[in-house]
Amino acid sequence: SQQGEEDPQALSIQEGENATMNCSYKTSINNLQWYRQNSGRGLVHLILIRSNEREKHSGRLRVTLDTSKKSSSLLITASRAADTASYFCATDANNQGGKLIFGQGTELSVKP
Amino acid sequence: KAGVTQTPRYLIKTRGQQVTLSCSPISGHRSVSWYQQTPGQGLQFLFEYFSETQRNKGNFPGRFSGRQFSNSRSEMNVSTLELGDSALYLCASSLVAGGDTGELFFGEGSRLTVL
Repeated sequence: SQQGEEDPQALSIQEGENATMNCSYKTSINNLQWYRQNSGRGLVHLILIRSNEREKHSGRLRVTLDTSKKSSSLLITASRAADTASYFCATDANNQGGKLIFGQGTELSVKP
Repeated sequence: KAGVTQTPRYLIKTRGQQVTLSCSPISGHRSVSWYQQTPGQGLQFLFEYFSETQRNKGNFPGRFSGRQFSNSRSEMNVSTLELGDSALYLCASSLVAGGDTGELFFGEGSRLTVL
């Protein structure tokens, strides 16, 4: 079963704008990770945030985690056409013995 | 350092046949996980192996099986193929396994089409 649910399912923006994607999950977690997937390709790890962290940055990426609301958000600032991809959150739940459970993903389209 | 290598990249089978997919993890990675990705169900966890032992298994029928060799290479097998098994099968390796799962490194996947 899916642990994470992502919102929105699809997002279309212009180059230079910011993109925000949200992820909600159901059970307690060790960490939450964000991945990117270009069409039909493998997933690429973007960022990992642990359950005791609230915010993390990596380049143009900013991830927040609110464990009380069981939610996370991924912000991509100053988006580029090359950011067009699907973005997935994945949770490492405490009772899952180390496997990642992925959300359904947000399909981001950045128009030049 | 070479990435995760999956073979074959594309294959077409007919219902009732079986298929074996191969995954070579990044050198030094001892954990290998398999995922099935379909448009309807998204990314579904199949199983995870660490040091030749299956540590976790997803909710898939017994037709789906896997194994890991002493060099950490892994194979998954699907027997008696059904149309619904058409999917992108993704393999991922990582340095750690169990408890806190770290970053997964994914291969490009094996795209299986069942006719």
